[in-house]
Amino acid sequence: EPEVTQTPSHQVTQMGQEVILRCVPISNHLYFYWYRQILGQKVEFLVSFYNNEISEKSEIFDDQFSVERPDGSNFTLKIRSTKLEDSAMYFCASSGAISTDTQYFGPGTRLTVL
Amino acid sequence: AQSVTQPDIHITVSEGASLELRCNYSYGATPYLFWYVQSPGQGLQLLLKYFSGDTLVQGIKGFEAEFKRSQSSFNLRKPSVHWSDAAEYFCAVVTGGSNYKLTFGKGTLLTVNP
Repeated sequence: EPEVTQTPSHQVTQMGQEVILRCVPISNHLYFYWYRQILGQKVEFLVSFYNNEISEKSEIFDDQFSVERPDGSNFTLKIRSTKLEDSAMYFCASSGAISTDTQYFGPGTRLTVL
Repeated sequence: AQSVTQPDIHITVSEGASLELRCNYSYGATPYLFWYVQSPGQGLQLLLKYFSGDTLVQGIKGFEAEFKRSQSSFNLRKPSVHWSDAAEYFCAVVTGGSNYKLTFGKGTLLTVNP
């Protein structure tokens, strides 16, 4: 069964450093998302991406965040200058041919900012 | 603003007992509703979804949920819980717009006693 994959599973970085979280969505999906879950809190929407551009972003997704689909398979989230409060589990999700299709989630990347 | 409430933070049941996890939503239009499960260290797995039609929906692992518009609820049920069902359960609603982002509840942690 097709699945969303994410790398790395755990990333440790120093405050102020740039990180890139990588996702490989399901191959025929067209809509891509990033969510995050701070420890003990609920899963929060960050950004949605369709047709090579951001469709919607939350207030969390400020100028230090960016997303890119550099090729036909990868979908990346870049945090330009990490802060302590960026420590969280980051989930990538993708959905199919229409926007109301079910979103399938990857296993997540745990980001720890020291 | 759209919101999802899961009133129970933590529920403990005995193996073989029945289970009901509560979910209430606030959304002006017809909602698209989901239940996801997150096992420790894992990503989010879709259990079931409601888009339209029959208000009782069946999911994987023997779970079902019933949509009740009058009560703005989408409670998850299972007649007999197995130890492997121990996990965190998230109710979510798709909110509208050009891209359908998920809004999650805070989750209910299920513990299963032998």
